[in-house]
Amino acid sequence: NAGVTQTPKFQVLKTGQSMTLQCAQDMNHNSMYWYRQDPGMGLRLIYYSASEGTTDKGEVPNGYNVSRLNKREFSLRLESAAPSQTSVYFCASSEVLAGEQFFGPGTRLTVL
Amino acid sequence: LAKTTQPISMDSYEGQEVNITCSHNNIATNDYITWYQQFPSQGPRFIIQGYKTKVTNEVASLFIPADRKSSTLSLPRVSLSDTAVYYCLVGGPHNAGNMLTFGGGTRLMVKP
Repeated sequence: NAGVTQTPKFQVLKTGQSMTLQCAQDMNHNSMYWYRQDPGMGLRLIYYSASEGTTDKGEVPNGYNVSRLNKREFSLRLESAAPSQTSVYFCASSEVLAGEQFFGPGTRLTVL
Repeated sequence: LAKTTQPISMDSYEGQEVNITCSHNNIATNDYITWYQQFPSQGPRFIIQGYKTKVTNEVASLFIPADRKSSTLSLPRVSLSDTAVYYCLVGGPHNAGNMLTFGGGTRLMVKP
């Protein structure tokens, strides 16, 4: 039982490049989330998926897109990376929307 | 939205009891109070959740007065490994936005 897994763990991009962050959970949770955390700051919600087939914007959605591929997987895509998107990205899941969240190990992204 | 206010940082020594207070004057009738812990370079981890009075588990206790406008997370006999950021969230599935807003948290430093 791996919980929430994220790939990759680290990534360096050049400005304008695109990439997709992958997240998967094996707890049969309905809801999944993507957060970003800048140095010394709290987490900010980018997008969330209350249940399979639905996605909604969070606090800071600009520059990102998401796909809830199935109940297990929720991906985050940066279409044209910018230095302001340098951050640590956490994926999380919960059984119900806004219930106890289980977090992945994070992806550390640097955009040059 | 129910806004929460926590101290930015706290210092303690090994073996002491630590109490972190969170103010939430606008808490709604159906809101729960939830605390998460985050170690450096890791995602947050659920600690405890409560609605009123006192809740205790193997890690911490949560004290909530009758008016529910504040809550106190109590960590008994802290050790160096309790050095982390602690986040207070107020809300519930009916008010998902609050439960997905982590804020800056309280940075606890435990000294030897």
